[in-house]
Amino acid sequence: GAVVSQHPSRVICKSGTSVKIECRSLDFQATTMFWYRQFPKQSLMLMATSNEGSKATYEQGVEKDKFLINHASLTLSTLTVTSAHPEDSSFYICSASREERVAHEQYFGPGTRLTVT
Amino acid sequence: QKEVEQDPGPLSVPEGAIVSLNCTYSNSAFQYFMWYRQYSRKGPELLMYTYSSGNKEDGRFTAQVDKSSKYISLFIRDSQPSDSATYLCAMMDSSYKLIFGSGTRLLVRP
Repeated sequence: GAVVSQHPSRVICKSGTSVKIECRSLDFQATTMFWYRQFPKQSLMLMATSNEGSKATYEQGVEKDKFLINHASLTLSTLTVTSAHPEDSSFYICSASREERVAHEQYFGPGTRLTVT
Repeated sequence: QKEVEQDPGPLSVPEGAIVSLNCTYSNSAFQYFMWYRQYSRKGPELLMYTYSSGNKEDGRFTAQVDKSSKYISLFIRDSQPSDSATYLCAMMDSSYKLIFGSGTRLLVRP
C-alpha cells in the first residue's frame, strides 16, 4: 500500500508556456501533500505544503503566482508551472501524507522531469 | 551554513563491504531522523526512521542518531550491487517538514 503516482513522468515545454503536473495517492487518502524540487546532484527542497480544500502554504522564496497548487480532493494535487522559463527546468517530486503529523508516513511519487526550452 | 550537511560522494565499495553513510545537522529542534534511498530519476523511498537518539536495526541496515553531536549514520552490512543508489538523510522538527541532505551516491562493485 501507500502508492503515489505522478503524471507526466517527463515533459518538455517551450519558454513562456504553462505545464501542469498531477500527483495522486492511489490507495489512501491524503489530507496533506507536499511538492519538492530537486536540481541535479542537489537536495530535495520543499516548495509548498498543500492541504485538501484550502490554499497551499509556500516556502520562503517560492513564487506562489508562478507555481500554482490545487488540492481539490483527498487523492489529487496539481502543480502548474506558469510562464515557464529554462531556469524552472528541474525534477519535481510530490509526496502524500498517509497519516497526519507522523514523520515516516510521507510517501513520495516517482517525480516529473521538466525541461523548458 | 546548510541545516543538514551530507558528503555527496560518490562512495565506491566492493560487494560485501560495510558501508557507512553520515549526516551532520545544526538545528537542535530536529526530533525525527530518516534515511531514504533514491534510484536515478525516481522518487525517494524510506529506508529507516528514528525518533530522538539511539540505534535502530532492520535487516542489513542500522541507523544511529547522536543528538549530542548532531550526527546521524546509516550502516549497510553485506552491501550488494542492488544497494547502488543515492542515499538521502532527512530530518524533521515539530513543523513536520522534511529537511533533506544533498545525498550520497553509493556504488557497490560486483
